[in-house]
Amino acid sequence: AQSVTQLDSQVPVFEEAPVELRCNYSSSVSVYLFWYVQYPNQGLQLLLKYLSGSTLVKGINGFEAEFNKSQTSFHLRKPSVHISDTAEYFCAVRTAGSNTGKLIFGQGTTLQVKP
Amino acid sequence: GAGVSQSPSNKVTEKGKDVELRCDPISGHTALYWYRQSLGQGLEFLIYFQGNSAPDKSGLPSDRFSAERTGGSVSTLTIQRTQQEDSAVYLCASSLGYPEDEQFFGPGTRLTVL
Repeated sequence: AQSVTQLDSQVPVFEEAPVELRCNYSSSVSVYLFWYVQYPNQGLQLLLKYLSGSTLVKGINGFEAEFNKSQTSFHLRKPSVHISDTAEYFCAVRTAGSNTGKLIFGQGTTLQVKP
Repeated sequence: GAGVSQSPSNKVTEKGKDVELRCDPISGHTALYWYRQSLGQGLEFLIYFQGNSAPDKSGLPSDRFSAERTGGSVSTLTIQRTQQEDSAVYLCASSLGYPEDEQFFGPGTRLTVL
């Protein structure tokens, strides 16, 4: 079975400061990794994904994430946050190379950007 | 083009009633997913349709839950004899169909069971 753990339920940070949202996963098979963002009262939107190749992945809105296979982590980072980044962030995994499409999500991290 | 749409946006029902939730995927997307988002359980996979293949129903929590996809497009999630623990936001997503493809999510249906 696969699982995803997001280590922080809430992350408060001041505007223009850097931020890291942590994600660890557990799986006996290779996985694809995703970060989604959910703005208040909106649906989920893909930020970035790791399928293969370079372990540093860049996404939208200045976010990036690094896949670390030995530590089974996929932490999300942004060097300077804006008020508009306030949202809930979800890390997710999916079995690589199989026909199943289902995503297994972490519990989410609420990013609160303060002025 | 249009994104994934879901209806209704909100549904309030009484315990024991049946409800139907509708999802219209993005045109041309062969894969369709239902997820549930609740305070206690987070985001959970419910069911996955891919083309004409048998659906993956492994996430349905009980036999009160069922879903169908007609004509490879619109999908309906049905919950029979609703219980208070069914209260949640039900999200639908669609994708082109390959496992690595991005899933595009709809805005969800908020179900409240009184």
